[in-house]
Amino acid sequence: QKEVEQDPGPLSVPEGAIVSLNCTYSNSAFQYFMWYRQYSRKGPELLMYTYSSGNKEDGRFTAQVDKSSKYISLFIRDSQPSDSATYLCAIENSGGSNYKLTFGKGTLLTVNP
Amino acid sequence: DAGVTQSPTHLIKTRGQQVTLRCSPKSGHDTVSWYQQALGQGPQFIFQYYEEEERQRGNFPDRFSGHQFPNYSSELNVNALLLGDSALYLCASRQTSGRLHEQFFGPGTRLTVL
Repeated sequence: QKEVEQDPGPLSVPEGAIVSLNCTYSNSAFQYFMWYRQYSRKGPELLMYTYSSGNKEDGRFTAQVDKSSKYISLFIRDSQPSDSATYLCAIENSGGSNYKLTFGKGTLLTVNP
Repeated sequence: DAGVTQSPTHLIKTRGQQVTLRCSPKSGHDTVSWYQQALGQGPQFIFQYYEEEERQRGNFPDRFSGHQFPNYSSELNVNALLLGDSALYLCASRQTSGRLHEQFFGPGTRLTVL
C-alpha cells in the first residue's frame, strides 16, 4: 500500500462548479497536510497548509482533514479556467528533524469556460 | 522576496555524464530538500540538508549526492547519468525553527538524458 493515494483523474468540470479533490494516507505519524497547485512544466505552488482535523478556508479553497479516517480533501468553489492545473496533496511527517514530504500522484483538473 | 530559485532551467546530458543543479532557498529558510518528479508522477524525496549536513535521504542510489553551503544554498549532483534520470528536479526550502511547516518549491530544473 502506498503511503499517500490520490486519484490521478483527469477531472473535467464546467466553470463555476464545485471541485472536490481527495487523498488517503496510511501512516498515522503524518501530522502536517498541504495542497500544492502545479501548472504544466512549473514548480508546485503551496495553496493550503493545515495540521489538525477539521476545515481551513482561504478564499474559494477549503482544506479538510479527517485524521480518524486518514482522509484529506480540497474543495474549490466557483471554479475558474485559471484553476486548471495538477493538484498535489503532500504530507509531512515531522517527527524529530524529519521534514520529508510524501506526495500523492496528483490530480489533473481542467475547468472549461 | 525572490522565493526559491533554481538553475539552470533546462539541461540536456548524455548517459554516463555528470550534472550539478543549484538551489537558493527562500529568504529566512535554512533547510533545503531535493525532489525528483517524473512525468505524470508526484515529486519523490531525494534528500534534505540542514546545517550543511544531509539529515535524511530517500530511496535514491549513491549516484545522487548533494551539498549545502553556509549561506543555505544547495547543490544536487548526479553521477553516471541514466536515461531514467530524466525528470524535473525540484528544490524546496523551509524554516526549521519556529512553528511554520510550509515548504516552498522552486520552478525546477528539467533534466533530459539522451
